[in-house]
Amino acid sequence: DIQMTQSPSSLSASIGDRVTITCRASQSIASYLNWYQQKPGKAPQLLIYATSSLQSGVPSRFSGSGSGTDFTLTISSLQPEDFATYYCQQTYSTPQTFGQGTKVEIK
Amino acid sequence: QVQLVESGGGLVKPGGSLRLSCATSGFTFSDYYMNWIRQAPGKGLEWVSYISTSSSHTNYADSVKGRFTISRDNAKNSLYLQMNSLRAEDTAIYYCARDYSGDKTDYWGQGTLVTVSS
Repeated sequence: DIQMTQSPSSLSASIGDRVTITCRASQSIASYLNWYQQKPGKAPQLLIYATSSLQSGVPSRFSGSGSGTDFTLTISSLQPEDFATYYCQQTYSTPQTFGQGTKVEIK
Repeated sequence: QVQLVESGGGLVKPGGSLRLSCATSGFTFSDYYMNWIRQAPGKGLEWVSYISTSSSHTNYADSVKGRFTISRDNAKNSLYLQMNSLRAEDTAIYYCARDYSGDKTDYWGQGTLVTVSS
């Protein structure tokens, strides 16, 4: 199975900050990398698919980049509604696997 | 709009069985692969199983292989997960989720909680 490792596991940031979360795959996954946001008590929501494509309805302050084994999710200007846990997911091979999550908290 | 609504969760003793259901609407169910994904309390996401559009292909995580069975009824727009020989480590919220072309999981239900405890 492909292991997905996110860093950091948690971070504290202020409104308006630029936030970057990284995700590393244990082997190359080409561009088969998605990002999800999960708020407490809610289901995950798709933010970014295929590394850098913005899912419909997702604000443009979210962006993704990378290829191969190293990927990043960037929030250009953190908003109050962005405080949540973020997960990366690889769909290059079965089983699809997720990172352990990055919790973004208010500083 | 796309809706996925899970049901069937609850408290069950170790070794017991449970059948989860997922009722869908707002899209052509028979056109999409479907997944079950779970999340243990306070933990991350774990893919459990997927099923192809015609049920001809299924796949399972090693952790549930031989104990869980995924199925679907395209006439009823519904997805199912039969869970047997349940263990404490199966305790989780189980999400029904739509697979888009094998590349992304674009819609999720609200989840149903399964608790395995004596």
